[in-house]
Amino acid sequence: AQRVTQPEKLLSVFKGAPVELKCNYSYSGSPELFWYVQYSRQRLQLLLRHISRESIKGFTADLNKGETSFHLKKPFAQEEDSAMYYCALSSRKLQFGAGTQVVVTP
Amino acid sequence: GAVVSQHPSRVICKSGTSVKIECRSLDFQATTMFWYRQFPKQSLMLMATSNEGSKATYEQGVEKDKFLINHASLTLSTLTVTSAHPEDSSFYICSARGTNYEQYFGPGTRLTVT
Repeated sequence: AQRVTQPEKLLSVFKGAPVELKCNYSYSGSPELFWYVQYSRQRLQLLLRHISRESIKGFTADLNKGETSFHLKKPFAQEEDSAMYYCALSSRKLQFGAGTQVVVTP
Repeated sequence: GAVVSQHPSRVICKSGTSVKIECRSLDFQATTMFWYRQFPKQSLMLMATSNEGSKATYEQGVEKDKFLINHASLTLSTLTVTSAHPEDSSFYICSARGTNYEQYFGPGTRLTVT
């Protein structure tokens, strides 16, 4: 069965500090993984996907098949990064992790 | 960019009544739309997948007779909560998948059943 695990419900970091959001998955095939972000009072939007290997808003995520992880990282957190972040795995449908609330304090 | 709208944004209805929520892809055609439910401080749970012109596929544990889904055109899907009860109160979110297979999410509909 496929599963997405985000172990941290809340991450509180200071502005300028590095931030890493953990995501682990279980899936028998070749996974397609995503990070979605939901800012306060806004809709869910795609942040990045592993196949594009791009950096969006300073965030990067590397798929590690050996560790079955897809952690999201940013070297210097900004206040505008405060949001809810969801890791998701796609087979025939998107399955979301429980989400991690990131709070960046000045 | 691709935009998905939902209407209404919030609705209050009495127990036992039915309420319809619309999901529209405004500037692209969506052969597949998805309906999610989100409880406070929890993740999105997929309820069903709807393909234009065919019956929706419901996830395990979702009552298809209670949550009626219609996907009559490439830009519109509707979710009707029939005989609503207070436990149906939730945040309902739709998404639409375009030809690039990316999913675009609507802003959600807050349903409160009194």
